[in-house]
Amino acid sequence: KAGVTQTPRYLIKTRGQQVTLSCSPISGHRSVSWYQQTPGQGLQFLFEYFSETQRNKGNFPGRFSGRQFSNSRSEMNVSTLELGDSALYLCASSGESGRYGYTFGSGTRLTVV
Amino acid sequence: SQQGEEDPQALSIQEGENATMNCSYKTSINNLQWYRQNSGRGLVHLILIRSNEREKHSGRLRVTLDTSKKSSSLLITASRAADTASYFCATTDFGNEKLTFGTGTRLTIIP
Repeated sequence: KAGVTQTPRYLIKTRGQQVTLSCSPISGHRSVSWYQQTPGQGLQFLFEYFSETQRNKGNFPGRFSGRQFSNSRSEMNVSTLELGDSALYLCASSGESGRYGYTFGSGTRLTVV
Repeated sequence: SQQGEEDPQALSIQEGENATMNCSYKTSINNLQWYRQNSGRGLVHLILIRSNEREKHSGRLRVTLDTSKKSSSLLITASRAADTASYFCATTDFGNEKLTFGTGTRLTIIP
């Protein structure tokens, strides 16, 4: 059974640009969540999608957005990048709303210069 | 925001010894989960304990939960070099499945 796939693994962007990250969940999983990990703030929840609907949203500015497609694949977009957006972005999928835990992808390391 | 703190922040032990790390949280929870992260890669789910459970085992892992003290501990017995990683606790609320993570414990196993 394939795991959670995140692309790309590494990304370097310039301040002011926008970026789109992709996440393919485990087959059959309908819940996809996104997290940001930085040395200063640790692991922070961004948003969760379930059956193409955003179900939860963390405390991030509107520059951070996401969506989920009918095949459960999800994308997150960050517009007008700032240096502080440099982080490891992790995607997690679950079958029954995380009742049995989440499976995480390997993450996308975003560096903003 | 972080749900709580993990203690200690870093722990170094000899291979074969037991490792214990603690997690405290602030609000009522639905369940508490422990994850392992190797060198800034993805998180691996280790074990989940529900708010009405007090202890759970999985292989060399033992987790306890004390909801009156809002704390949990993770015990890894007979540690191995491959256990070297960062360990995070994470909680979920009732009706809200987002994970709220602790600050993490960096565990180093010395061969």
